Amino acid sequence: DSGVTQTPKHLITATGQRVTLRCSPRSGDLSVYWYQQSLDQGLQFLIQYYNGEERAKGNILERFSAQQFPDLHSELNLSSLELGDSALYFCASSTGTVSYNEQFFGPGTRLTVL
Amino acid sequence: GNSVTQMEGPVTLSEEAFLTINCTYTATGYPSLFWYVQYPGEGLQLLLKATKADDKGSNKGFEATYRKETTSFHLEKGSVQVSDSAVYFCALISGGGTASKLTFGTGTRLQVTL
Repeated sequence: DSGVTQTPKHLITATGQRVTLRCSPRSGDLSVYWYQQSLDQGLQFLIQYYNGEERAKGNILERFSAQQFPDLHSELNLSSLELGDSALYFCASSTGTVSYNEQFFGPGTRLTVL
Repeated sequence: GNSVTQMEGPVTLSEEAFLTINCTYTATGYPSLFWYVQYPGEGLQLLLKATKADDKGSNKGFEATYRKETTSFHLEKGSVQVSDSAVYFCALISGGGTASKLTFGTGTRLQVTL
C-alpha cells in the first residue's frame, strides 16, 4: 500500500458526460501528479500540483482540468467525454521538495466511456 | 522533447534465468532515471533509481547503471523468479526545483515460468 488513495476505483459513463476523479496523497506529501495510462498512448503525464499551485503540465486536453485543495487532496475533472478518454488514471504524490523525489502511485481509477 | 525507448515485450524467461531489459533515453540536461514495476491490477511501484551519471540503482536483486555516454539505463537481474512477472517501465524526470514530470517508456511485460 503506497498510502495514496484514489476514488472511485471504476467509473462507467457515456460520451459527452463529465466526471471527477479524486486523489488523496500520502500524509506530508505536497505534490500531486496525474497520469493517464491507455493502450495506444501508454503512460502519459497530465499535470502536477505543488501545495495548491500548478507546477508542471503535460499533454492534458483542454477538456480536462485539475486542482489541489488546501487539505492537499486533488481532483481531476474530465468533461465532454469521448470514447478515447477510456483509460486508467493514476494519481501519484511526493514530498515535492526536489524534482527527482520518488513518486508514490495510487491504485488508479479505471474510466470506461461508452 | 524528452523520450524513453525500451525493448518491446513480452519477454518470457524460465525461473533462474538472467534478465536484461534495455532502456535508452533522450533528454536535455541531466535527467534522473527510474525503473517502475506494475504488477497485475496494481499501480506502479518504484523499483530503483539513479540521479547522476555512473550511479547504480539496485533493489530486490535488480540493478541498473546510469550510462550518460550511451544514454542508457538497462535493467538486469541475475536470477528471475515467477513472482517477478510484471510490466516494467523505464522513466526519466526532467524539471527543476519543485516542478517534476515523469516521462515513461512503453513498458516491457516480463513473464517468468517454472
